[in-house]
Amino acid sequence: DTAVSQTPKYLVTQMGNDKSIKCEQNLGHDTMYWYKQDSKKFLKIMFSYNNKELIINETVPNRFSPKSPDKAHLNLHINSLELGDSAVYFCASSLQGGGNTIYFGEGSWLTVV
Amino acid sequence: KQEVTQIPAALSVPEGENLVLNCSFTDSAIYNLQWFRQDPGKGLTSLLLIQSSQREQTSGRLNASLDKSSGRSTLYIAASQPGDSATYLCAVPRGGGSEKLVFGKGTKLTVNP
Repeated sequence: DTAVSQTPKYLVTQMGNDKSIKCEQNLGHDTMYWYKQDSKKFLKIMFSYNNKELIINETVPNRFSPKSPDKAHLNLHINSLELGDSAVYFCASSLQGGGNTIYFGEGSWLTVV
Repeated sequence: KQEVTQIPAALSVPEGENLVLNCSFTDSAIYNLQWFRQDPGKGLTSLLLIQSSQREQTSGRLNASLDKSSGRSTLYIAASQPGDSATYLCAVPRGGGSEKLVFGKGTKLTVNP
């Protein structure tokens, strides 16, 4: 069983569209994250949720809106997609707190054309 | 501001060789340090998590060391195999017990048969 699963794995869409990426973890973790890996392979955190509540929100455009219906799910919705949004988006989860191993999903490759 | 640097950016070795990957960080007030492996088209797999109170952690052929005072960590891979070929990333919390991880850009390792 996949611990952290995200869908879709690949997504090609046109500028201006709205799209969502879904993430689910079956590890019983309290905390979930979205990370972005850009074309230079640099990984940066975008959001973090703890028990459905937003605890970290980096300087991310308002077009990005995370939603956590329950602590096992953290979805990422992106409005009005731009070319610069093309990247790999990784979902991750961990137990609460900064001292725990973080488990990553396999990534969602978003290409905006 | 926490910054993580990994040297070298790429490394190519023949099978069977022992090797060391380096990671340095600017803020030594960390709770832990994690080493991850990323395979092409895949997510990140956590390899080792070293707590700040530890000096090293071992898992199979991997040994990670941590020297907080000097802001350095090394990942030692013994008897490298072609299956070890991947990008290795180290990450530290941004500050204190923060759940935000700051990643290095990684070292791309190629082990040649």
